[in-house]
This record gives sequence, structure tokens and C-alpha cells, in this order.
Amino acid sequence: NAGVMQNPRHLVRRRGQEARLRCSPMKGHSHVYWYRQLPEEGLKFMVYLQKENIIDESGMPKERFSAEFPKEGPSILRIQQVVRGDSAAYFCASSPQNQGALGETQYFGPGTRLLVL
Amino acid sequence: AQSVTQLDSQVPVFEEAPVELRCNYSSSVSVYLFWYVQYPNQGLQLLLKYLSGSTLVKGINGFEAEFNKSQTSFHLRKPSVHISDTAEYFCAVSERGFQKLVFGTGTRLLVSP
Repeated sequence: NAGVMQNPRHLVRRRGQEARLRCSPMKGHSHVYWYRQLPEEGLKFMVYLQKENIIDESGMPKERFSAEFPKEGPSILRIQQVVRGDSAAYFCASSPQNQGALGETQYFGPGTRLLVL
Repeated sequence: AQSVTQLDSQVPVFEEAPVELRCNYSSSVSVYLFWYVQYPNQGLQLLLKYLSGSTLVKGINGFEAEFNKSQTSFHLRKPSVHISDTAEYFCAVSERGFQKLVFGTGTRLLVSP
């Protein structure tokens, strides 16, 4: 039973380029969460999605960042015109149902480490 | 708004000694509480969680935590640590009815021989 998969594991971009981070949830999971971990800090919530719906994007920066979870395929976190401050580890997590109502565990992927030069 | 405080950024300990990693939270409503472990360059793995019921929660790898509502704490303990327990430990909270986890800044556990 494969866990949450993220690719690429490492991504290097120059300032102004676009970064696309992919997340495939665990089999049977329909809820996806994205978190960002800056150096020497804890994880910060960014966005919560279900298939074809953004449920909570209260942690997403207002500009340049977007996320989607299409009916088919992985969830994508897209960062346009990256800046050095975007350098961080981006983690995806998935759960089988509404974690808030039932206390379901969020299962984390290995993360994508983005470095902006 | 919720917040989580992990008072110790780093805890050095000798192998086979007991350890306690502290976690305090603030929230005006009922919460779920979690401890996750992160090994270098890996994702987070759930150690244990408190949803309701008994305040003493047992998790994987011999860890346990106790929920103290009056002190708003959820400290993690292990009676005898191993070298392999060296990792970063994160306490997290979520409000019932909401999905997002709010994490503390982490505690680095360093176990030496």
C-alpha cells in the first residue's frame, strides 16, 4: 500500500521561473493538504482540497500561489515567478475523509525541497 | 486562533535515559492533539494522537503522551530512548470541525551513546 507520493523530491528554480509540485494521495484518500516548512520552523498550513474543490485556502499567499486537485491525476501546487523567499520544503498530506470532523490522521509525503537561486 | 508552543528547541539525552518533550497549546474550543516525528529529509510520521477519552495516549516506538486540559499541555514521554529516536518532533493541534493542523516549531531530540 503505497504512501503519499510527491515529486520531484528536489527542485531548483531561478527567480522568476515557475515551480510545479505534484502530490499523489494514498489510495482511497480524497482529501489533500499542503503545508510549507521554512528553514528552522514548523509546518504552516497552506490549502485543503477535495477532488475538484478548494475547501480552505486561508494559508495560501494571495499572489503567485495556486493549487488544484483534478478529478483525475495528482494534486498540483503551482508557484509562479518564484522568489528566494519561496525556498522551503513543501509537504503534502492526505486523509480518507473529513479530518476535522472525525480526527482522521493526515498522512504526509516525503516533501519537495524547493531551492530558488 | 490556535497556537502551539514547544518550549525546547533542542533536547540532548543519553541513550536509555527517559525523556519528556513539552507541548502547550492555546485554543478556545475543543481540539485534537497530535505528535509527529520527522527524520532527516523525510516526511512526518504520526506517533500518536488524542481525540477524546483517556488522557494517557500510547503511540508507536514506545512513546506516550498525556493530555492535561487544565494546563493545556500535551507532553510527549519515553521511558528509555534509543539512538534511533534522534529526530525532530512536532506537536500539532486542530480544532474540531476544522481540517488544518497548526504545528509547533519542533523539538530536536539528540540521543547520544
